[in-house]
Amino acid sequence: DTAVSQTPKYLVTQMGNDKSIKCEQNLGHDTMYWYKQDSKKFLKIMFSYNNKELIINETVPNRFSPKSPDKAHLNLHINSLELGDSAVYFCASSQDLGKLFFGSGTQLSVL
Amino acid sequence: GESVGLHLPTLSVQEGDNSIINCAYSNSASDYFIWYKQESGKGPQFIIDIRSNMDKRQGQRVTVLLNKTVKHLSLQIAATQPGDSAVYFCADTKEGYQKVTFGTGTKLQVIP
Repeated sequence: DTAVSQTPKYLVTQMGNDKSIKCEQNLGHDTMYWYKQDSKKFLKIMFSYNNKELIINETVPNRFSPKSPDKAHLNLHINSLELGDSAVYFCASSQDLGKLFFGSGTQLSVL
Repeated sequence: GESVGLHLPTLSVQEGDNSIINCAYSNSASDYFIWYKQESGKGPQFIIDIRSNMDKRQGQRVTVLLNKTVKHLSLQIAATQPGDSAVYFCADTKEGYQKVTFGTGTKLQVIP
């Protein structure tokens, strides 16, 4: 049983397209996150939701819109994709302070 | 931790030797620190944590040391094995705060 699962694993698309990444956790955690990891492995927080409510929004362009239909799901929609959006996007969940459980990542390539 | 590096630091260690991975954090208000391990093609995994009221915590083959005076954290891995090859991240946060900030990361290469 995968604790945090995100789909798709790979996403290759053209500039200007709109795409979505889905995330689900079966751990019963209250908090979910989206992180972006660049080519140098730097992990930067994008959003955090607690019980379906947005609590962190880190200076992310408004082309990125998270959506949490329930506390087990946190999806990420990206409009008008740009070359600089190419990265690995990780979903994570947590219940305890700082202890995050990550999904296996979605590698987004914008051509 | 705050990432300021332009490249991923790499540490090469002989199998069986001890490894020490260092991390500097910048937020003096942080009171909880975590080490994560990221293997190739996977998401980061929790290894060990430490609160600011401690300066040392031991796990199985791993030890975390915290020096709040100089805002420095280290991860020691005893008898390093090939399976320890990964990128290691320190992270920090504070009680009541959801944001977990990751450091730059260090790539550990274990030489058989």
